[in-house]
Amino acid sequence: QQKVQQSPESLIVPEGGMASLNCTSSDRNVDYFWWYRQHSGKSPKMLMSIFSNGEKEEGRFTVHLNKASLHTSLHIRDSQPSDSALYLCAASKVTNAYKVIFGKGTHLHVLP
Amino acid sequence: GALVYQYPRRTICKSGTSMRMECQAVGFQATSVAWYRQSPQKTFELIALSTVNSAIKYEQNFTQEKFPISHPNLSFSSMTVLNAYLEDRGLYLCGAREGPANTEVFFGKGTRLTVV
Repeated sequence: QQKVQQSPESLIVPEGGMASLNCTSSDRNVDYFWWYRQHSGKSPKMLMSIFSNGEKEEGRFTVHLNKASLHTSLHIRDSQPSDSALYLCAASKVTNAYKVIFGKGTHLHVLP
Repeated sequence: GALVYQYPRRTICKSGTSMRMECQAVGFQATSVAWYRQSPQKTFELIALSTVNSAIKYEQNFTQEKFPISHPNLSFSSMTVLNAYLEDRGLYLCGAREGPANTEVFFGKGTRLTVV
C-alpha cells in the first residue's frame, strides 16, 4: 500500500508558468516531508524540506505544509524547461527515524 | 560535500543468475542505507533499510533470501539480487543518511538491471 500519494502523475506547463504539485501521506504519524527532483538518467536530489506548518520559499520554489491534513504542495513559479523532471515527495516519522518513504512522483514537463 | 558512489551503473544478467551492486559514501557517515527500486510499473519502492548496529529491515514483498544486503561500516553497503528474473528489472538506488528523521538522503546514481 502506497503511503505517500502524489498528484498529478504528469503535469505540462508553459515556460514562465506556475507548476503546482501535491502530496499527501496516508500515515497520520508522519513528521517530516521532503521534495526531491530527479532529472532523466540522474539520481534524485533533495530540493526542499519542510517539517512544520506553513510555507517555505527558496527562489522560485515554495512548499506548503498542512500537518493536520498531512498535505504538502510544491509550487514552481516562472517554470523553466530545465525544471522538467520527476518530482518525488518523501516522508518519514520521528518514531521510525531512518525510514523514508517516497511517492510515485509527478512528471513535470515545461514546454519552451 | 556528501556523495554516494554506486556501481556498476548498468548490468545485464541472464535469467536465473545473480548480480551484486555496491555503494560507497564519501564525505559523511552512512549511518543508514536504504535500497530502493525504481521501475515504470511501481516507481519508487523501498526494498530494505539497513542501520548500523541494527538488524536490516525488509519491506513487504522483499526478502533477505532474494536481496541479501551487507552494511559492514559507515561508508559501504552492497546488495545482491539473487536468481534475477524479468520482474526484477529496474533501476536500483541506494540512499544513505548520516542522521535520523530530519536529515537528507543522498542517493547514488543507480544500477540499472536488465535481465535477459
